[in-house]
Formats: sequence, C-alpha cells, structure tokens
Amino acid sequence: ETGVTQTPRHLVMGMTNKKSLKCEQHLGHNAMYWYKQSAKKPLELMFVYSLEERVENNSVPSRFSPECPNSSHLFLHLHTLQPEDSALYLCASSQDARGSTYEQYFGPGTRLTVT
Amino acid sequence: AQSVAQPEDQVNVAEGNPLTVKCTYSVSGNPYLFWYVQYPNRGLQFLLKYITGDNLVKGSYGFEAEFNKSQTSFHLKKPSALVSDSALYFCAVRGDAYSGAGSYQLTFGKGTKLSVIP
Repeated sequence: ETGVTQTPRHLVMGMTNKKSLKCEQHLGHNAMYWYKQSAKKPLELMFVYSLEERVENNSVPSRFSPECPNSSHLFLHLHTLQPEDSALYLCASSQDARGSTYEQYFGPGTRLTVT
Repeated sequence: AQSVAQPEDQVNVAEGNPLTVKCTYSVSGNPYLFWYVQYPNRGLQFLLKYITGDNLVKGSYGFEAEFNKSQTSFHLKKPSALVSDSALYFCAVRGDAYSGAGSYQLTFGKGTKLSVIP
C-alpha cells in the first residue's frame, strides 16, 4: 500500500541461525532505512542508506549487517542473534536522506522472534 | 540533541467527540515535524507534516495539527473521532540545521495509543 514491501512478514530463528530480511521500495526514492521497534520503546534507527551508500550507523551490534545493492533494495543480514533482538523490524524510504523535509514511507515490517 | 515527548501513553475518546494527541519537541534550529499512525501489525503511515508557513497543517483522514513555536508543541487534532481512528500515533521531529552525526535522524516519540469508544 505504501510502495514499500518487506519479506518475510514473520520470522522465528534460533540464536545460531543466519537469516536475511528483505525490503523493496517502488517509489523511486534515493534513501532507505532500517528501524527496530520494540514494545514500549521509541523507534530506533539502525541504518541509513543514501544512493546505496551507508550514511548512518547508530552503533548497531555487528550481528546485524545491512546491504543495499541498489536504491530499490535493502537487506538486513542476521547472524547469532540474542533473544533481546526480538522485535518488529521496519524498513522505510524517502526521497532523500539529507533532505530534512521529506517524509518517510514505511513497509509493514518483519516480526522477528529469536528463540 | 533532538527529542520528542508524547506525555500520554493512552488517550480515550468517545466516537464523534473531538480528539487531541499531544506532542512537544526540542531541536536545534527550526523544526520539521511529522505525525505518523500505526495500525496493528502494520508499518507506520505518514499523516501530515509541518515544514514552514501556516501553523495549522491539514493531513490525511481529516486530521490536522497545530504548530506552536513558543510552546514547542505540535498537537494532533481531529474534530470528530471515528472508531477506525483507534491506533498508535507517533510524533517525530528533525531540525533544519546540520549538527553532525545523527542529523539524518528523524527522532520519534514513544507513541500514544488512541482508543475511540463507540
């Protein structure tokens, strides 16, 4: 509906697994974002890409590894996660990361459960 | 550092009554302010934004918000609430001045759960 799709919608993984989250935007935007949404906490920005270049990394643990092969696709590679990493992971895009006036469009999220 | 406060975790309002969801902010330079709504099991949807100009901003689904610079507030309002408005509402801010790392960040409040009672 918003032009941003995420797969899978739900993911259950063990702490030793490796998995990837995928995001695709069909809006012709130049910037893409990964956010973590945990219960009763503000939305946490994880990574920002502008024209496929990472421009922000908010001290995210190395077990989260982003990849942006082009301006329409964004991945989040997951490796040896902890139970506290269970959350809703949201992808967003905007016209430009550096343009402060641009709103962001969000995907539906991936509900991740780490067992 | 920029910040957003949504002082109410939950707001209850009867259907047909006016609703207000409060937001105050702190930012370097001029503020760019946004409201988003999140329905269960969905991502955030953009409602409206204030960049400059008229302090009263109109957005989607009949919502509006009033920017008050002296009170550093950007409250969300709707004249007549619908049951379908029940959702989680987020206020967000970004400053217009580049201030180093984090300047690309849109800082979100914790969210306010709105419940419209039939």
